[in-house]
Amino acid sequence: GENVEQHPSTLSVQEGDSAVIKCTYSDSASNYFPWYKQELGKRPQLIIDIRSNVGEKKDQRIAVTLNKTAKHFSLHITETQPEDSAVYFCAASRGSYIPTFGRGTSLIVHP
Amino acid sequence: EADIYQTPRYLVIGTGKKITLECSQTMGHDKMYWYQQDPGMELHLIHYSYGVNSTEKGDLSSESTVSRIRTEHFPLTLESARPSHTSQYLCASSDSGGQPQHFGDGTRLSIL
Repeated sequence: GENVEQHPSTLSVQEGDSAVIKCTYSDSASNYFPWYKQELGKRPQLIIDIRSNVGEKKDQRIAVTLNKTAKHFSLHITETQPEDSAVYFCAASRGSYIPTFGRGTSLIVHP
Repeated sequence: EADIYQTPRYLVIGTGKKITLECSQTMGHDKMYWYQQDPGMELHLIHYSYGVNSTEKGDLSSESTVSRIRTEHFPLTLESARPSHTSQYLCASSDSGGQPQHFGDGTRLSIL
């Protein structure tokens, strides 16, 4: 089955800095890669996703890049703000299969 | 507004009690899931369903059971609660394509 590794487990940055979270996956047939943000006491929510026919996708301050050859994908957050502080989860899936989640990254943005 | 609803949000109950955690979605989704999550930690899939009368166990062994008699409803039951069941339980749903998942607000369960 699919295996997703996510790093780092904790990331601490100063407000205004960039943050990068990386995930690797094992199943070369995986073709959908979402990122979820979970604020303290809240539900995980989809913030951005990418499909395997695209190398990069941007939405304002967040972007996701995908390297199919190396089987890794990354979340990039620019100009971080305190409200970006949360736990971020990556996931990988193929077709209608159950997605496999990474173990999460706790992002702390210091004012 | 279409959403996924979980009740109760918080439950504190004694050992040995039977508990049912409710999950309903108005999104018209076929697939539903239950995850166990300690606060801020990884998501562990404990049950999932592809549709009515379909239920499967997830990656994490759980003493809970689920049923799917109606498309919109996916309750989780613990026959005899134990302190080791203390955790947060998140329900999610997705369309038949499986992507992405939409999560409920969760139930925080504490067993004394």
